Amino acid sequence: GENVEQHPSTLSVQEGDSAVIKCTYSDSASNYFPWYKQELGKRPQLIIDIRSNVGEKKDQRIAVTLNKTAKHFSLHITETQPEDSAVYFCAAVLSGGGYNKLIFGAGTRLAVHP
Amino acid sequence: GAGVSQSPSNKVTEKGKDVELRCDPISGHTALYWYRQSLGQGLEFLIYFQGNSAPDKSGLPSDRFSAERTGGSVSTLTIQRTQQEDSAVYLCASSLVSGREQFFGPGTRLTVL
Repeated sequence: GENVEQHPSTLSVQEGDSAVIKCTYSDSASNYFPWYKQELGKRPQLIIDIRSNVGEKKDQRIAVTLNKTAKHFSLHITETQPEDSAVYFCAAVLSGGGYNKLIFGAGTRLAVHP
Repeated sequence: GAGVSQSPSNKVTEKGKDVELRCDPISGHTALYWYRQSLGQGLEFLIYFQGNSAPDKSGLPSDRFSAERTGGSVSTLTIQRTQQEDSAVYLCASSLVSGREQFFGPGTRLTVL
């Protein structure tokens, strides 16, 4: 089945720096890769996603890149701000037997220091 | 419109008791998922419903856990004979199309004393 590895588990940056979180997946048939942000005590919320027919997607300070050959995708946050501090989860879709479900990485705790 | 809702928001129970957690998905969403999140940990998949198909129960940790989804809408997660290790936040999510964006509910924080 699908396995999603996420690194690093914790990341600490200074405000204004960039942050990069990387994920690898095992199922070459996966075609949808979302990223979720979970602030302390809150529910996870989708911040950006990418489908397998594109290699990069940007939304203001956030970008995601996908390398299907290597089976890895990354989240890039530029000009980090304290409010970016949260746990970030990557995910990849696992399909089979009529099911399509998301398999989540273990999460990255990002701390942005003023 | 209304998002995913869950009830209760908090549940404190004694070891050995049964509990029921409820999830109301977004109207029209065919897929519904349950996850468990222990303190400071990731999202542990429990069970997944897709339309009228048999649910994917592959993530349920033991036979004390069960879930149903009535009428393709509301879902109930039942934990029988609760144990202290069941203490966690239980999150429900729904999606319009399976395998695409999931919208999460606020979760139910379960504490087993």
